[in-house]
Amino acid sequence: SSDLTQDPAVSVALGQTVRITCQRDGLRNYYASWYQVKPGQAPVLVIYGKNNRPSGIPDRFSGSTSRNIASLTITGAQAEDEADYYCDSRDTSTNHVIFGAGTKLTVL
Amino acid sequence: QVQLQQWGAGLLKPSETLSLTCAIDGGSFSDYYWTWIRQSPGKGLEWIGEIDHNGNTNYNPSLKSRLTISRDTSKNQFSLDLNSATAADTAVYYCARGPLHMVMVTTPGYWYFDLWGRGTLVTVSS
Repeated sequence: SSDLTQDPAVSVALGQTVRITCQRDGLRNYYASWYQVKPGQAPVLVIYGKNNRPSGIPDRFSGSTSRNIASLTITGAQAEDEADYYCDSRDTSTNHVIFGAGTKLTVL
Repeated sequence: QVQLQQWGAGLLKPSETLSLTCAIDGGSFSDYYWTWIRQSPGKGLEWIGEIDHNGNTNYNPSLKSRLTISRDTSKNQFSLDLNSATAADTAVYYCARGPLHMVMVTTPGYWYFDLWGRGTLVTVSS
């Protein structure tokens, strides 16, 4: 079956680099996308495709994929990056969209 | 600047129909995928379903029997109807825009939601 697995929580010291991962089981035909969700706010797309940032997203956000692991890297994490991060992908076998369970990022 | 404006009833009784509408303000409608996503209290994002550039729909299997997503291209709007609502349907509901159909054709493997509504909190309670 298809699934996206994320670590529930990750922490990073201010200004350091953090990688948030998304294990994609059975979902290799689409790149994962990444969304930042802050309390009371709508999700914001931060990375999509191979490693694309929408307009307005700081360049400290980057994405990569190796085999079945998609990663979101924040280089020089800022206090405002503290949020929940979700990956998603499209399942070509069912034509449905799947979200990971989310990773809570704490910036120390 | 393109925005998604969404609205609908915020308080329902069990067994009533949850209905939401999303309007695209300032942008094209017909060539995109349009989606509903929800987030229950304390939980993650859940894909509800979509309507594509041809008007074809695709639903989360766990909601399919109760769900209808439709569109009105003359008004640049699409809607969600979820009947027989229960407390488990209490959530913040978001409308969101998926890729242009041509993006999916020309860049295989790309899938994302790049534009989101502000969300509507829907509470189902007696």
